[in-house]
Amino acid sequence: SQQGEEDPQALSIQEGENATMNCSYKTSINNLQWYRQNSGRGLVHLILIRSNEREKHSGRLRVTLDTSKKSSSLLITASRAADTASYFCAAPYTGGFKTIFGAGTRLFVKA
Amino acid sequence: DTEVTQTPKHLVMGMTNKKSLKCEQHMGHRAMYWYKQKAKKPPELMFVYSYEKLSINESVPSRFSPECPNSSLLNLHLHALQPEDSALYLCASSQERLWTSGATNTGELFFGEGSRLTVL
Repeated sequence: SQQGEEDPQALSIQEGENATMNCSYKTSINNLQWYRQNSGRGLVHLILIRSNEREKHSGRLRVTLDTSKKSSSLLITASRAADTASYFCAAPYTGGFKTIFGAGTRLFVKA
Repeated sequence: DTEVTQTPKHLVMGMTNKKSLKCEQHMGHRAMYWYKQKAKKPPELMFVYSYEKLSINESVPSRFSPECPNSSLLNLHLHALQPEDSALYLCASSQERLWTSGATNTGELFFGEGSRLTVL
């Protein structure tokens, strides 16, 4: 399967703490993306990192990519209760038209 | 607020019913997708349309029939579904570039809020 694996499956932290989620994938990619999903809602694109980039920042988000290890991590700094959601990594294949999602990490931030 | 609109938000149907899920986007995207998501699982790709043509069908049973009437609309026709088909059905769209070798895109997806389907 091309689907990535994510760990941890679930993460519970206090507000203000940092949250780190990891993703591994199996085949070569052009880019890797992270999405967020609030319970029962649609997914929202957070950040995209290209295969020739090692690190990218967007607000409180920091994404790293290690193509030699086929892995990526998402760090959310100074977490808030509103960050409670599921987070998925995803990689597009087949010219970008087949985006496959990892298993996801469920993050719970306690106020 | 999402720029991809899905209707209905909730649908309950019997196994003999015929119903349709609808999706609309006005971002000028020429690729549109249907994903199926079960509880606590990632979205699973079902179909991809590129320039109104079906380009990917992930071996989805024929009781699911997609249709792309124009570049802004995507339908999913449902017939003779099974209870295990109950799930959240997500529509998405993306930009793409048309090269001489075909269309490609970054794969950045814009999702609707989904249609929650329950099959009795």
